[in-house]
Amino acid sequence: KNEVEQSPQNLTAQEGEFITINCSYSVGISALHWLQQHPGGGIVSLFMLSSGKKKHGRLIATINIQEKHSSLHITASHPRDSAVYICAVNSGNQFYFGTGTSLTVIP
Amino acid sequence: KAGVTQTPRYLIKTRGQQVTLSCSPISGHRSVSWYQQTPGQGLQFLFEYFSETQRNKGNFPGRFSGRQFSNSRSEMNVSTLELGDSALYLCASSLGVGTGANVLTFGAGSRLTVL
Repeated sequence: KNEVEQSPQNLTAQEGEFITINCSYSVGISALHWLQQHPGGGIVSLFMLSSGKKKHGRLIATINIQEKHSSLHITASHPRDSAVYICAVNSGNQFYFGTGTSLTVIP
Repeated sequence: KAGVTQTPRYLIKTRGQQVTLSCSPISGHRSVSWYQQTPGQGLQFLFEYFSETQRNKGNFPGRFSGRQFSNSRSEMNVSTLELGDSALYLCASSLGVGTGANVLTFGAGSRLTVL
């Protein structure tokens, strides 16, 4: 079983579109992370959330602890946003990852 | 300031050999965590070190081990390599202990190929 589920697996958008990536988890958590991975492997931490909502530039992350669900929104998407977005959660002493959402933004 | 540095970036080993990977955290960061990424299993947590002590451990066999030095640099070792150990190994550093309490900064990874 997967402790963290992401949807969609793949997403193609036109430049300028509003994008939403969803993450659901089945375990109790202390924090949820959104990560971005570009081709070549490097991972960047976008957000760490334990409640509510965070915004950084065109990126917004929300979390609903009761529903065990988080969303990552990208406003005014740009080709440079093309990457794999990974949701990860801390549960006790463990760290579980989703399988990622591959986003392609077409100019 | 310098980011998280992993060495080597690429390496090729044969089955049965052992390998040691190194991770130098951001200056001032005392926690280092390690992850394995494969096409089939995705990202998986290996272990976390803080102040030279292993604090958390993922579900990997004992062939995977690590340590942390007094300067916070960390190494991980995989003994008796298997084909399935071929993967990208990533480390991340953070200020304090607990991947749930601190933002992580990742290195570029070490890509291991086992033949």
